[in-house]
Amino acid sequence: GAGVSQTPSNKVTEKGKYVELRCDPISGHTALYWYRQSLGQGPEFLIYFQGTGAADDSGLPNDRFFAVRPEGSVSTLKIQRTERGDSAVYLCASSANNEQFFGPGTRLTVL
Amino acid sequence: KNEVEQSPQNLTAQEGEFITINCSYSVGISALHWLQQHPGGGIVSLFMLSSGKKKHGRLIATINIQEKHSSLHITASHPRDSAVYICAARFNTDKLIFGTGTRLQVFP
Repeated sequence: GAGVSQTPSNKVTEKGKYVELRCDPISGHTALYWYRQSLGQGPEFLIYFQGTGAADDSGLPNDRFFAVRPEGSVSTLKIQRTERGDSAVYLCASSANNEQFFGPGTRLTVL
Repeated sequence: KNEVEQSPQNLTAQEGEFITINCSYSVGISALHWLQQHPGGGIVSLFMLSSGKKKHGRLIATINIQEKHSSLHITASHPRDSAVYICAARFNTDKLIFGTGTRLQVFP
């Protein structure tokens, strides 16, 4: 069966631009997580959805970051006014029975 | 504060060696995950455990709840085991807190 997919796989943008990163979870998984991984570091939690609602958004670094999951399946992470420090791999995971299944990530580069 | 620490940060081994990667955490957890990440690749879940020991092929994961410590062991290591191994703890919420990872290189 299909795993978690993320698009695009790579995104290069200029400082100040707006970007959207998409996550397609495994069908039927109600929990969805966004993480950010900087070079040489472990992933850091950003936000967690249970169904359509954000159950925990305490990891979002500031109000430039926002995520939605309007129908309880696909989620979009939105970053406004991107900064060079936003460059990282953005990982999505969906969960069943407390086990998380990770997508391949989107590598975001802000020039 | 919920924290997860891993050691060593980097590890090199000769093919066939027995490998141990350690993970410690600051307070009580509901589960601990061991994950594998290949260069340029996604993350694969190896184990999720809350007590005792689990084994899958040449991989063994143990956890000691009283000592707040977990280990990942690889027996008869092989160059294809080369990857970054990450431990992640689930505290009293559903989110995971990750260690910084251990970069393993196994040489033939």
